[in-house]
Amino acid sequence: AQSVAQPEDQVNVAEGNPLTVKCTYSVSGNPYLFWYVQYPNRGLQFLLKYITGDNLVKGSYGFEAEFNKSQTSFHLKKPSALVSDSALYFCAVRGLPNNAGNMLTFGGGTRLMVKP
Amino acid sequence: ETGVTQTPRHLVMGMTNKKSLKCEQHLGHNAMYWYKQSAKKPLELMFVYNFKEQTENNSVPSRFSPECPNSSHLFLHLHTLQPEDSALYLCASRPGVGLGTDTQYFGPGTRLTVL
Repeated sequence: AQSVAQPEDQVNVAEGNPLTVKCTYSVSGNPYLFWYVQYPNRGLQFLLKYITGDNLVKGSYGFEAEFNKSQTSFHLKKPSALVSDSALYFCAVRGLPNNAGNMLTFGGGTRLMVKP
Repeated sequence: ETGVTQTPRHLVMGMTNKKSLKCEQHLGHNAMYWYKQSAKKPLELMFVYNFKEQTENNSVPSRFSPECPNSSHLFLHLHTLQPEDSALYLCASRPGVGLGTDTQYFGPGTRLTVL
C-alpha cells in the first residue's frame, strides 16, 4: 500500500522568506510524486511532479521540490514567499506496478499562511 | 483554468432527493476520476474510469452511482444521501496511458450539502 504524510497542518511564513512544506511517502517501487495547490473554493491545481531524472524539480509559480530517496521525502520549497501563495498544498504519490488506474494517494494537506 | 468543468458548483439536497453531478473535459483525456474532499480528511478517491470503463470503485456506498457515457463526460448520480456525505466532490481527468500522462487535472468541484 502507498501512503503520504504531511506532518504539518499549517505552515506560517513571512512574505519574502523562504518556505518549505514537508512531505514523506511510502510506496512499492519507484515513486511518482506530485504537488498540488488548492485555493479557496477551487479545485486542485498541478504544481510539479517527479518521475525520474534530477532530484530537484521546478514547477509553477516559482515552486520547486527535492526528491530524497534515502529519506523518502519530497519537500516543496520556494525561495521567497508571496502573500498570494497562501493556500492548501497537497502532496501525492503513485507507486508501481499494478496501478493501471494511475491512482494517486494524497496527503492530508498543509495550509500555508504567508503574512505581509 | 484546467479545462475540466463541473456543474453545478453548489448543490443543496434533502436526504430523499435524487440529483446528479456532472464533469466535462475536452482535453482529449481518457481517464476520469471522482474524489471526495471532506473537512479535515485526506482526499478520498471514489471511482476511476479508463476509456469509459470503470476500473476502480473504492468501496463507495451504492447511494453514489457513477456513469461515464464517453471519455469526455462523467456523472455522479446521488440518491438517499446522508448528511455525512456533505463535502466537496472533485472530478479529475488524465491523458491516458504511457509516459507523460501521469498528471491529473482537477475541476473546481461541486460543494454538496445534504440536509
